[in-house]
Amino acid sequence: GENVEQHPSTLSVQEGDSAVIKCTYSDSASNYFPWYKQELGKRPQLIIDIRSNVGEKKDQRIAVTLNKTAKHFSLHITETQPEDSAVYFCAASLAYGNKLVFGAGTILRVKS
Amino acid sequence: EAEVAQSPRYKITEKSQAVAFWCDPISGHATLYWYRQILGQGPELLVQFQDESVVDDSQLPKDRFSAERLKGVDSTLKIQPAELGDSAMYLCASSLAGADIQYFGAGTRLSVL
Repeated sequence: GENVEQHPSTLSVQEGDSAVIKCTYSDSASNYFPWYKQELGKRPQLIIDIRSNVGEKKDQRIAVTLNKTAKHFSLHITETQPEDSAVYFCAASLAYGNKLVFGAGTILRVKS
Repeated sequence: EAEVAQSPRYKITEKSQAVAFWCDPISGHATLYWYRQILGQGPELLVQFQDESVVDDSQLPKDRFSAERLKGVDSTLKIQPAELGDSAMYLCASSLAGADIQYFGAGTRLSVL
C-alpha cells in the first residue's frame, strides 16, 4: 500500500523567513496531495491541495510543488508569522473519495 | 460554515470497558471516514463508509472495534473491550461522494487507564 514520509519532524524559523516541508510517496498511482494544518487541540484543516496533473499551486503565502517523477511534493510558506506555528501534515490519495495516507507531521515553530 | 460534529470531545475509561464515539458529518456528505491519530503521528484510516455501506475496514481491529452508519448519515465507532494501546485521538471526516476534499471534526481524545 501507499506510504508517505515527511521531513523534517520539527522546524523552527524566524518570523518573516520561509519554511519548506517535504514529503515523498511510494505509490505512483496516487493523484491527490493535500496539506493539513493542525493547531493544538483543534481539527486538521485543509490549507492547500494539488492534483497530479498540476506541478505547482499557490495561495497567497502558501505554495505546493509536485514532482511526479521523483514522487515527492513540498509545502512552501513564505513570510512566516507566529500564527503559522502548528503541526502540518501531508497526505496522498489514490483517487476521488479514497482514504488519505498521512505523513507523520512536522511541528513548525515561528519565533518572533 | 458547516462542520463535522463529534462527541464526546474527551473520554477517560478503564481498560476492558466499552466506549463509543459519535460523528455527524456535514449535511449531504455521503462519504464518512474514521481515523485514529496516535500522539506524534499522522491520522490512520480505520473505516470508510459510502452512505451506509463499508468501503474499507481493512485496518479496523475487528475483534474489538465496530462501526456503523445505519441510516447513511451519522456514525458510531465502538471499542469493546478498550485496551491501553487504544489511547489516541479518534477523528471523523466527511466528503461529498466521489470528491477529494475531506473535512475533519475536532476529534474525541480517548485515554484508557
